[in-house]
Parts: sequence; structure tokens; C-alpha cells
Amino acid sequence: EVQLVESGGGLVKPGGSLRLSCAASGFTFSHYSMNWVRQAPGKGLQWVSSIISSSEYIYYADSVKGRFTISRDDAKNSLYLQMNSLRAEDSAVYYCARAGSSWEYYFDYWGPGTLVTVSS
Amino acid sequence: DIVMTQSPDSLAVSLGERATINCKSSQSVLYSTNSKNYLAWYQQKPGQPPKLLIYWASTRKAGVPDRFSGSGSGTDFTLTISSLQAEDVAVYYCQHYYSPPPWTFGQGTKVEIK
Repeated sequence: EVQLVESGGGLVKPGGSLRLSCAASGFTFSHYSMNWVRQAPGKGLQWVSSIISSSEYIYYADSVKGRFTISRDDAKNSLYLQMNSLRAEDSAVYYCARAGSSWEYYFDYWGPGTLVTVSS
Repeated sequence: DIVMTQSPDSLAVSLGERATINCKSSQSVLYSTNSKNYLAWYQQKPGQPPKLLIYWASTRKAGVPDRFSGSGSGTDFTLTISSLQAEDVAVYYCQHYYSPPPWTFGQGTKVEIK
């Protein structure tokens, strides 16, 4: 059974940093591209970042480019999102999601999410 | 960036009746090389993460009830729930995954029981 579990969310002040983690199990992690998608309270879904299975290609939404860094450790079956220079508008539930394959970016499994609140 | 626009924003349907949600992309998400539409549909219930229902515009994910179906091509797509059940109350999102990113979602359509 595919499982994704995020951790690392919490309350942080504007300008601060946070590192999110996603622990994956139930599939061959290294074979899949992985993604972060966020959802502000009461709002819709916003794609944040993707990392291809080989880490050769990495993509970011313009709103986080230069501030967020996605990475993966295939030996640990883990995905990460380093978030720096956080802003109030980054407050959201952050979901880890598996892509359908290395190149097909529909998201077939999602974690329960971790809440990030940026506030002074 | 491709903009995804759903209609309506909400709809109320009687149990057992058909629900239809539309999704329009600002440019075609049909890839001519493989004739595939890079369009997915998700269901999100309150307090839960989204769940994939349909990808390639019309391919149902394993385990998804067959009352859910997707159709359309190019820029215009439809998610149909043929006979609405109580457990289908949720917000539904379309998403394109046509490269290059960003991969964008529609604003969501809330489905309720009339």
C-alpha cells in the first residue's frame, strides 16, 4: 500500500525557515517523480515544486522560486522541501504527492498534509 | 501559464441524479505526438487530501466507482457523476499536466446534495 506522510510543519515568523519531510513507503520511491502541492486555508490547490526520479530535473512555481528547495534521498525513501524567507502567503497545508510516473505529472497518491503557518 | 477555469463554482444535485462539472483550459492540453489529453480530475472531501479520480481526461483510476467519468479534448473537459451518492459530496478539481510547468488546477467545484 502506497503511503506518504509529511512532517515538519509548524508556526514560523515571517522571514524564517522550515524544512518539510515526506516519508514514502509501499512503492519503489526512486522510480517516481515527487511533488509538493499546497492549499491555503479555505482555498484551492497550488502546485509548488517537482523533482524527477533521477533528480535531473527540478521545477518550481514562480511564487517560491529562489526561496524553496526541493530534494530527495532515494536511500531513505524521503522527499524534502526547504523553505526560506517565508511569507504570510506561504501559509498553507503542504501535501507531498507522487506523480503518475517519471514524466506524467498527475498526482496519484497524496499524504495527509502538514500545516505551515507564517505569522508574527 | 495555462489557466484552468471550472464551472459552475458549486452545484446542488438530488441523490441519484447526474452531476456535471466543466473545466476549460486557456490553451490546448492535447499532445499531438501521442494524442493524449494531459488533464486530471480530483475529489477532495473536508479535512482530507485530494484523491485522483481520472487522468488522461478519461481514464478512471483503479478503484474509482464507474459512476465517475471524464470526457473532452483539447481545451474543454467534463467530469460526470452519473448517479450522485451521499459520499460524493466534495470539492472537485481539474488539473492540467501538460509540460512545461506550472501545472495548474481549476478553482474547484463544490458538489452538494439538493
